[in-house]
Amino acid sequence: KAGVTQTPRYLIKTRGQQVTLSCSPISGHRSVSWYQQTPGQGLQFLFEYFSETQRNKGNFPGRFSGRQFSNSRSEMNVSTLELGDSALYLCASSPSTGGIRDTQYFGPGTRLTVL
Amino acid sequence: AQKITQTQPGMFVQEKEAVTLDCTYDTSDQSYGLFWYKQPSSGEMIFLIYQGSYDEQNATEGRYSLNFQKARKSANLVISASQLGDSAMYFCAMSSTAGSYQLTFGKGTKLSVIP
Repeated sequence: KAGVTQTPRYLIKTRGQQVTLSCSPISGHRSVSWYQQTPGQGLQFLFEYFSETQRNKGNFPGRFSGRQFSNSRSEMNVSTLELGDSALYLCASSPSTGGIRDTQYFGPGTRLTVL
Repeated sequence: AQKITQTQPGMFVQEKEAVTLDCTYDTSDQSYGLFWYKQPSSGEMIFLIYQGSYDEQNATEGRYSLNFQKARKSANLVISASQLGDSAMYFCAMSSTAGSYQLTFGKGTKLSVIP
């Protein structure tokens, strides 16, 4: 099976712009989660989608949003970019069979730089 | 709230030697899962091993084993016969009981394998 894919791999934006990141999960996986990774804060959970519904959201401002399509592909959007949004954004998919054993498999990430 | 603590920011190990990476956790949940991921410099998070809170035996996956001590709330990763390709960041993570659909990560340990 192909792994989780994320596009684009690298992005450079300026403050105030908006950006959309894309994630295609492993075939058959219905849950997609997004994480932000920065040197200072580490890995932080953004949100999780299952069957086009957001089931959980982390502690991020409303500028961060996401959605999931019927084929389980997901996008996240960041509006009005700030310098502090520079980070590696990781997408993960899981079968979501339920419970604690559900393993998340990560994509290669999108590295966003805000100038 | 859940918390993962990795107290070793960086570690060195000689090639072909074994190394233990520490992870302690805090949770009020009775049912939880513990994961270890490897992140090379490329950025992708690679799933290594899983341990459930009710699993009686320590998990093993090839050269990786998890030393799970529930009473001490620790889940240390043991890598046997270290290889140069093992040089990477290693993250311990926890899933809670079904419903939150997110992983809580530690700050990570940077492992360097010396030839």
